[in-house]
Amino acid sequence: EVQLVESGGGLVQPGGSLRLSCADSGVTFSSHEMSWVRQAPGRGLEWISYINNSSGSTTYYADSVKGRFTISRDNAKNSLYLQMNSLRAEDTAIYYCASVLEGGIFDSWGRGALVTVSS
Amino acid sequence: EVVMTQSPATLSVPPGERATLSCRASHSVDTYLAWYQQKPGQAPRLLIYGASTRATGIPPRFSGSGSGTDFTLTISSLQSEDFALYYCQQYKNWPTFGQGTKVEIK
Repeated sequence: EVQLVESGGGLVQPGGSLRLSCADSGVTFSSHEMSWVRQAPGRGLEWISYINNSSGSTTYYADSVKGRFTISRDNAKNSLYLQMNSLRAEDTAIYYCASVLEGGIFDSWGRGALVTVSS
Repeated sequence: EVVMTQSPATLSVPPGERATLSCRASHSVDTYLAWYQQKPGQAPRLLIYGASTRATGIPPRFSGSGSGTDFTLTISSLQSEDFALYYCQQYKNWPTFGQGTKVEIK
C-alpha cells in the first residue's frame, strides 16, 4: 500500500527555488507511476507533472510549469521530488504527490505541502 | 486541453436523500473519467475511475455513469460523512479537473 508524506514546503520569494520531497513508507514505490498535483488557495486541482515507474526516464509537465519545474525519483530512498525554480506568486498552492494508475488516475495522495511565493 | 465543467456548483441535499452531480467534457474522453471527494483540510480521495468503477473501499452508495462527454456521480443516500467537495477528472489526455461541486446539508 502506498503511504505518501510530502515535505519541503514553505515561504519563498518570487524568482526563488524550492525542492519538495514525497516519501513513500510502502514497499512497492518503484513500481508506481507518480505525479504532482497542486491546489491554489480556495481553488480547484491542477495536475502539473508525471514520472513513470522504475527508471523514471519518462516525464511530463503542464505548460504552466514546463521549463521551471523538474520531477525526479530515487527508488532506493522510496522518494519523489519536485524541484521548483523561478517561482511566481501564482505558484502559491498546496502541492500533493499522488500515485498514478493507467497513466492518469490518482489513486493515493499525500497530505500536501504548502508553498507560498511572496515578497 | 479538455475542459471539464461541473454542475451545479453547490448542491443542497437533506441527509438520506439522493444526490446527482454532473460533469461535462469539452471533447469526448470515452470513459477515461474519475471522481474524487475532498473534505476541508484533506487531500482528495479517489471514488470512481473508468467512469463507473468504484475504487477500493468505496461504499456502493456511490455510483458513476456516462461516456463520451457527459457523466454523472450519484450518491444514493447521503450520509453525514458524504458532505464534501467532489471533483471530476479526465485522463484520456493530459489530466484536467472540473471546478468542483460542493454537496452541503439542506
